[in-house]
Amino acid sequence: DAGVIQSPRHEVTEMGQEVTLRCKPISGHDYLFWYRQTMMRGLELLIYFNNNVPIDDSGMPEDRFSAKMPNASFSTLKIQPSEPRDSAVYFCASSFSSGRSTGELFFGEGSRLTVL
Amino acid sequence: GNSVTQMEGPVTLSEEAFLTINCTYTATGYPSLFWYVQYPGEGLQLLLKATKADDKGSNKGFEATYRKETTSFHLEKGSVQVSDSAVYFCALRAAGNKLTFGGGTRVLVKP
Repeated sequence: DAGVIQSPRHEVTEMGQEVTLRCKPISGHDYLFWYRQTMMRGLELLIYFNNNVPIDDSGMPEDRFSAKMPNASFSTLKIQPSEPRDSAVYFCASSFSSGRSTGELFFGEGSRLTVL
Repeated sequence: GNSVTQMEGPVTLSEEAFLTINCTYTATGYPSLFWYVQYPGEGLQLLLKATKADDKGSNKGFEATYRKETTSFHLEKGSVQVSDSAVYFCALRAAGNKLTFGGGTRVLVKP
């Protein structure tokens, strides 16, 4: 079984540019999560979806960030315009609901974003 | 709301030493509890889990027991190796379906 697939693995861009990160969850999972990891703030939940519907976006830092899940097999996290403080590793994770399984999340390998 | 507190690192050990990482939680209901591990440059991997009180999760020589009375899920390993150097995250998932992580504990094992 393929795991959670994220792209790109590395992205270097200049301040002000638009950045789009992509995620393909594990087939059949009905939850999808976007996390951001930095040295200063650790692991932060940005947003999560259930059955393609955003459930909680309270972790999205500001209006420059947006996330979509147009179908069960694809999600994007977009930053426009990007700023140096957005530099981080962005992780996507997917799972079944905690009622259907023991509830563990499966993580992708992350997208490392550097904004110059 | 739900929260997870784990000991701050870094924890530095010699090979074959005993490792304990403390984790306590606050949650409504009966959450599932997890330990994830992150090796340098990689994503998070599930290390072990427990879904109800008194369950013991184990994997790769690591163990943790779900203690409802003390709301704890401490991670232990009897004899660490250099390859265990990583960041370890305690986490819980309750009925709200959001996974709540602790701050992570960096472990460095020296030969």
